[in-house]
Amino acid sequence: DIQMTQSPSSLSASVGDRVTISCRAGQSIARFLNWYQQKPGKGPKLLIYDASSLQSGVPSRFSGSGSGTDFTLTINSLRPEDFATYFCQQSYGTPPWTFGQGTRVDIK
Amino acid sequence: EVQLVESGGGLVKPGGSLRLSCAASGFTFRTYNMNWVRQAPGKGLEWVSSITSSSSYIYYSDSVKGRFTISRDNAKKSLYLQMNSLRVEDTAVYYCVREGGYDLSDALDIWGQGTMVTVSP
Repeated sequence: DIQMTQSPSSLSASVGDRVTISCRAGQSIARFLNWYQQKPGKGPKLLIYDASSLQSGVPSRFSGSGSGTDFTLTINSLRPEDFATYFCQQSYGTPPWTFGQGTRVDIK
Repeated sequence: EVQLVESGGGLVKPGGSLRLSCAASGFTFRTYNMNWVRQAPGKGLEWVSSITSSSSYIYYSDSVKGRFTISRDNAKKSLYLQMNSLRVEDTAVYYCVREGGYDLSDALDIWGQGTMVTVSP
């Protein structure tokens, strides 16, 4: 299975800050990397697919970059509704799909 | 509205069985691969199983292989997960999830609200 490692596991930030979250794959996954946001008590929501493509309806302050093994999710100008947990996930080839352990973004 | 609604969760003793269902609406169910993903309390996301649109290919995580069975009924627009020989470590919220297909690089684009499965003596 392809191991996914996210960092940091948590961070504190203020409204208006720029936040970056990293995700590293255990082997090259080309651009088959997706990012999700999860709020307490809710199912995850797809934000970014194919490493940098913004899912329909997702605000443009979210962006993704990277290829191969190293990827980044950036949130520009953090808003109150962005405080949540973020997961990366690889969809390279066939299952098993694997997720990063998550990054919790909370209010400083 | 595109929607996935899970049902069938509950409290069961170790060694017991449970069958989860997922009702799909608002999209052409028969054309999408489907998945089950679980999340133990306070933990991260764990992929459990996948089934292709026509049930031709089925995949399981090592942690559930031989105990869980995924299936679908395209006429009823429904996905199922039969869970046998349940263990305490299977306790989790189980999500029914759609794969977005080629255009979304197989990202998991639609998630249900989840159904809780608790395995306890």
